[in-house]
Amino acid sequence: ETGVTQTPRHLVMGMTNKKSLKCEQHLGHNAMYWYKQSAKKPLELMFVYSLEERVENNSVPSRFSPECPNSSHLFLHLHTLQPEDSALYLCASSQVLAGGSYNEQFFGPGTRLTVL
Amino acid sequence: GQNIDQPTEMTATEGAIVQINCTYQTSGFNGLFWYQQHAGEAPTFLSYNVLDGLEEKGRFSSFLSRSKGYSYLLLKELQMKDSASYLCVLKGGSTLGRLYFGRGTQLTVWP
Repeated sequence: ETGVTQTPRHLVMGMTNKKSLKCEQHLGHNAMYWYKQSAKKPLELMFVYSLEERVENNSVPSRFSPECPNSSHLFLHLHTLQPEDSALYLCASSQVLAGGSYNEQFFGPGTRLTVL
Repeated sequence: GQNIDQPTEMTATEGAIVQINCTYQTSGFNGLFWYQQHAGEAPTFLSYNVLDGLEEKGRFSSFLSRSKGYSYLLLKELQMKDSASYLCVLKGGSTLGRLYFGRGTQLTVWP
């Protein structure tokens, strides 16, 4: 596997279900990100992890719960979602350099989530 | 805060040249990316400008003027496969890892 992978690619869930999205990066990067992309809207940053520590939570509802067990893996745990949470969820990774600057972000293919 | 403005849609024909403009206002600037995103796929990196001027990469070039808050992506010798959304993305000057995405310009290339 190369680059950034995400599973599943498609997910349909009811509002009472609990599911998890998985992201894995094979690039040796030290930062990982979750984004939400809704139709006709810009990508919205949800969470940032740097060196496995959450450094940003962009006012995301608590029904979304991220987990970063190591620098290569990132999860997004979902529970009691709403239909308006239906979107493409993209994971990305980058290498954060000394002083906080970083190279471009590499994106995974995304998980298309539909909440019924 | 940040505000990024780019056209919603553009069309062009195969072999032509197209310029996609992006204007922005930001409280902290640390570079500007252009990404390409095909429908249902991940955004992929095209270019990065941090200093004023033109960066050329094969058929794609990107220009930045920081004083004017302006950038453009120039695509030459258009091909059908260039039909995609092109995202103007600001790299913020403060929070670690923070990118600000424009809504994207949907380019359609006709034969």
